[in-house]
Amino acid sequence: SQQGEEDPQALSIQEGENATMNCSYKTSINNLQWYRQNSGRGLVHLILIRSNEREKHSGRLRVTLDTSKKSSSLLITASRAADTASYFCARRNQGGKLIFGQGTELSVKP
Amino acid sequence: GAGVSQSPRYKVAKRGQDVALRCDPISGHVSLFWYQQALGQGPEFLTYFQNEAQLDKSGLPSDRFFAERPEGSVSTLKIQRTQQEDSAVYLCASSLVIWGRVTEAFFGQGTRLTVV
Repeated sequence: SQQGEEDPQALSIQEGENATMNCSYKTSINNLQWYRQNSGRGLVHLILIRSNEREKHSGRLRVTLDTSKKSSSLLITASRAADTASYFCARRNQGGKLIFGQGTELSVKP
Repeated sequence: GAGVSQSPRYKVAKRGQDVALRCDPISGHVSLFWYQQALGQGPEFLTYFQNEAQLDKSGLPSDRFFAERPEGSVSTLKIQRTQQEDSAVYLCASSLVIWGRVTEAFFGQGTRLTVV
C-alpha cells in the first residue's frame, strides 16, 4: 500500500475538548493536505501546509509539519459534535495524484 | 450544481455483473481522478485523466477495470464481471491545472458499490 500511517485510528472525546491526530509519511513532500470525510458531505479539503512551513492555522484547525521526522499533526480546538468525521492526511506525488493515509475516526460526544 | 456529481449514489450488483459508474466533474476542470475506498480505509488511487487523455492507470486493480473520458468532461468507470472484493466506495475528484500543477481536488459524494 502507498498509504502513510495515521494515529490514532479512532478517537472519542467530549464536546469542547481538543482533538489531535497524527500522520507520518515515507517520502519527501512539497506539501501535505488534510481532508475530512463524513456521510453528509463526502471528502472535503481542510488545509494544506507546504514543506517550508512548520505551522498553519485555519479557524479552529492547527496543522504542524516536521519534515525531519516526516510527520504532521492536526489539532482541532474546542471540538463540536459536528466535527465527528474521519480525517485523512494526503500527499500529492509528482504526477498529481493524492496518496491518503488510513485515517482517524473522530467521535465528538455532546 | 457547482460540485462534482457522481451517479448512481448506490449500486448493488450480482457477482459477475458489469457496472458503469459516472462522474460529472466541475465545469472547466482539466484533471479528473478516480479513487477506490474500502470500508475503514483511506481512498486509494485508481486512475487519472487530463482532458481526454488517461495519463496514469497504474492503480486499476485488474483488467476488469476500465475508465474513459472521451470528450474531456464526463468520465465513466466500468467494472466487468464484478467480484465481491470490488465492493467499495468509488470516489471521483476534479481539479484545475495551473502552470502545469494540479490544484486543490474537489471530490464527489461517491458511488457505494455492493457486490452480492
